[in-house]
Amino acid sequence: TQLLEQSPQFLSIQEGENLTVYCNSSSVFSSLQWYRQEPGEGPVLLVTVVTGGEVKKLKRLTFQFGDARKDSSLHITAAQPGDTGLYLCAGAPAGNNRKLIWGLGTSLAVNP
Amino acid sequence: DAGVTQSPTHLIKTRGQQVTLRCSPKSGHDTVSWYQQALGQGPQFIFQYYEEEERQRGNFPDRFSGHQFPNYSSELNVNALLLGDSALYLCASSRTAANYGYTFGSGTRLTVV
Repeated sequence: TQLLEQSPQFLSIQEGENLTVYCNSSSVFSSLQWYRQEPGEGPVLLVTVVTGGEVKKLKRLTFQFGDARKDSSLHITAAQPGDTGLYLCAGAPAGNNRKLIWGLGTSLAVNP
Repeated sequence: DAGVTQSPTHLIKTRGQQVTLRCSPKSGHDTVSWYQQALGQGPQFIFQYYEEEERQRGNFPDRFSGHQFPNYSSELNVNALLLGDSALYLCASSRTAANYGYTFGSGTRLTVV
């Protein structure tokens, strides 16, 4: 069974702090995607990383794909209340890129 | 460019009834996946349709069935509803390979009473 372990599950921080969310697996992925979801809405794709060691930046968000393509991290610098939401990672397994394996999500609350 | 459209947005059904949820994929996408999401948790994969056939299926009972039409739109049917079926049902569309990422609709909030 392929698993994608996401941590931490919950995170409550003050505005201006930095944070990192991790997704780890023993399986290799052909791509790893990060989504953000707000209550009552569907997840919105933030980024897709496909190359081992790849780093992508989206304003204050930095995404990294592990060299072995088994793990990924999301780092937020100077978090703002607008960053509050559920962050989900999802991986397309190498050899079967038609489906996604999902992490359980990280619920982030940024307090003003 | 319209994204993924789901209908209805909210639905209340009685235990034992049947429900049909609908999804129109994003233009250019040919694959539709359905997910069930409980409050505060990640999406649980129900099944995926491509070329009008169910291509993959998650751990959901046969009460959950679906269909994809030639225009790539899709339906999710749930028979003999249980209280535990209450959830947000999400439709996601993609190109054939999941590498490009999924586009999700806003979901249908199903409440079974």
